[in-house]
Amino acid sequence: AQSVAQPEDQVNVAEGNPLTVKCTYSVSGNPYLFWYVQYPNRGLQFLLKYITGDNLVKGSYGFEAEFNKSQTSFHLKKPSALVSDSALYFCAVRDQASGTYKYIFGTGTRLKVLA
Amino acid sequence: DAGITQSPRYKITETGRQVTLMCHQTWSHSYMFWYRQDLGHGLRLIYYSAAADITDKGEVPDGYVVSRSKTENFPLTLESATRSQTSVYFCASSEVRTGGYEQYFGPGTRLTVT
Repeated sequence: AQSVAQPEDQVNVAEGNPLTVKCTYSVSGNPYLFWYVQYPNRGLQFLLKYITGDNLVKGSYGFEAEFNKSQTSFHLKKPSALVSDSALYFCAVRDQASGTYKYIFGTGTRLKVLA
Repeated sequence: DAGITQSPRYKITETGRQVTLMCHQTWSHSYMFWYRQDLGHGLRLIYYSAAADITDKGEVPDGYVVSRSKTENFPLTLESATRSQTSVYFCASSEVRTGGYEQYFGPGTRLTVT
C-alpha cells in the first residue's frame, strides 16, 4: 500500500539552530514528494517538491529537503530556524498505484521554534 | 489574482440538514480536491476530480457528494449532515499538464454539525 509517515508529532528547536522534520514513504515506482506548511487558521502552502533530478531540493523560505531513495525518506531541513517557522508541516506523496494525480498526506509535524 | 476561494468560511448546521461547501479556482487547473482535516488524522481525501465531469472517490467519501460541471467550480455537498462530519474542509487544485503537480489550497471552511 502507498503510504507516508511523519514519525514525530512535534519538533522543538531553538532559534538559530538547524531543524529537521522527518518524512518516510512507501510507494511503487518513482515517488513524487512534497512538503507543505500550514499556519494557524490558514490553508496549506506549498514549500517544495521532488519529482526527478537532484536529490537536494530547495524551496521557499530557506527550506530544503533531501530525497534518499535507499532510506525512502524525504526529510525537510533548514540551516537556521526562525521563530516565524513555527507551524504545522505536512509531507505528501503521489498515490502512484492509482494512476492518477491524487496524493497521500502524512499526519503532520508541529514545529516549535523557541526564542 | 484571486486564486482559490472557499465559501462559507464558517458554517454551523444541524444534524440531518443538507449543506453545500463551495470551491472556486481562477487558474483553470485540471485537478481539484476536497480534504477534511481532523486532529490526529492529518488531511484525508474525500473526493477529487481530474477534469470537468470526471470525479472519483477518495479515502472517506461516505456521506458526501460532488459535482464538477465547470472546470473552475467543485462544490461539496453533505446530503444529511452528521456530527462526525464536524471538521475543517479544504479545497485544493493542481495542474499536471504543465508538470507542476503541487497543490494550491483554499483557506478552508470550518463546519460544525450540532
